[in-house]
Amino acid sequence: DTEVTQTPKHLVMGMTNKKSLKCEQHMGHRAMYWYKQKAKKPPELMFVYSYEKLSINESVPSRFSPECPNSSLLNLHLHALQPEDSALYLCASSQFRPGLAGGISSYNEQFFGPGTRLTVL
Amino acid sequence: AQKITQTQPGMFVQEKEAVTLDCTYDTSDQSYGLFWYKQPSSGEMIFLIYQGSYDEQNATEGRYSLNFQKARKSANLVISASQLGDSAMYFCAMSLADSWGKLQFGAGTQVVVTP
Repeated sequence: DTEVTQTPKHLVMGMTNKKSLKCEQHMGHRAMYWYKQKAKKPPELMFVYSYEKLSINESVPSRFSPECPNSSLLNLHLHALQPEDSALYLCASSQFRPGLAGGISSYNEQFFGPGTRLTVL
Repeated sequence: AQKITQTQPGMFVQEKEAVTLDCTYDTSDQSYGLFWYKQPSSGEMIFLIYQGSYDEQNATEGRYSLNFQKARKSANLVISASQLGDSAMYFCAMSLADSWGKLQFGAGTQVVVTP
């Protein structure tokens, strides 16, 4: 199975709502990522998990809360979002190939899911 | 900080022709990886090809080849025999060694293949 799945495909939420995005992979990958992509822009990294531990937080506001309950699953909990948070949220996974000085090797083919299109009203 | 530049915002190419998408990068690191991804209008990012900074041969994957010129810091993607299904946004990306897998993307090139 070489697929990353994301649910839901579309999500509309109000600024006071709490919702969660879900990402799942069964490729045995031990690194998982969240990216945010605004319309007509490239994806921007939000979080990196390696071996279920948060390795990178790219200064993301606390209204986004990631969670990695096991090696196959990655969640993104959303609370009190703003309209400017409307975007395509992409999940990705990759093998964890250790770099020479720690971290993840630059050989890092990431497999992406289809994304969740989020609209915040 | 590293930077990826794609200077072609959009281009049209006729079916069955070859097309070259430009990508230049800027980094002082010696160890890095270069990637090309395709994003159709459906949104999913599809991995196409990878080139490591120490690889001496240009990478090829089916109809995709990467023209890697390290001294010029360029990593152009060549798509041979374009097909209508190749219409998509194409992103060049770079990952530095030990950067925890962070992909830095260029702005992208929108390719439209015409019959």
